[in-house]
Amino acid sequence: GAGVSQTPSNKVTEKGKYVELRCDPISGHTALYWYRQSLGQGPEFLIYFQGTGAADDSGLPNDRFFAVRPEGSVSTLKIQRTERGDSAVYLCASTRDGNEQFFGPGTRLTVL
Amino acid sequence: AQSVSQHNHHVILSEAASLELGCNYSYGGTVNLFWYVQYPGQHLQLLLKYFSGDPLVKGIKGFEAEFIKSKFSFNLRKPSVQWSDTAEYFCAVNSLTDSWGKLQFGAGTQVVVTP
Repeated sequence: GAGVSQTPSNKVTEKGKYVELRCDPISGHTALYWYRQSLGQGPEFLIYFQGTGAADDSGLPNDRFFAVRPEGSVSTLKIQRTERGDSAVYLCASTRDGNEQFFGPGTRLTVL
Repeated sequence: AQSVSQHNHHVILSEAASLELGCNYSYGGTVNLFWYVQYPGQHLQLLLKYFSGDPLVKGIKGFEAEFIKSKFSFNLRKPSVQWSDTAEYFCAVNSLTDSWGKLQFGAGTQVVVTP
């Protein structure tokens, strides 16, 4: 079956611009997670959805970051007024039972 | 602060050598423990996990890990590595006092196996 997909695979933007990153989880997975992975680091938790609601957004670094999951499936991570420090790989993962998170390929964001 | 530490950032070894990667965590309560692997050009995928029971857990591709509660450790081992084990390995922890499934990862260990 299809795994977690993320689009775009690469995004290059200029400082100050707005970007949206999309995640399509595995069908039927109610929980969805966003992580950010900077160079040389492990993934860092950003936000967790259970269904349509954000159950834990404690990892979002500031109010420029926002994520939605309006129908409990696809999720979009939105970053306003991008900064060079936002450059990273943004990973999405989903799970049905919490035993294993299935990760997508990530979106590599570069802010010039 | 809660943290996950992986002792080695880079490991280079020859085929057939034994591998052991260290992982320590600083959470005080009950935890679920994971090792994830990322092969070159591929997604992160689960290698093995520990929730409860036998502290020696076996995963895919001949890997195993041992949970030692008194040492807050979950070290990964493989008796004889192959060239195809070249990858980055991440230890991850989910604290049961934290959000369901939320993972905190170590910085990762890049393993290179030479023929």
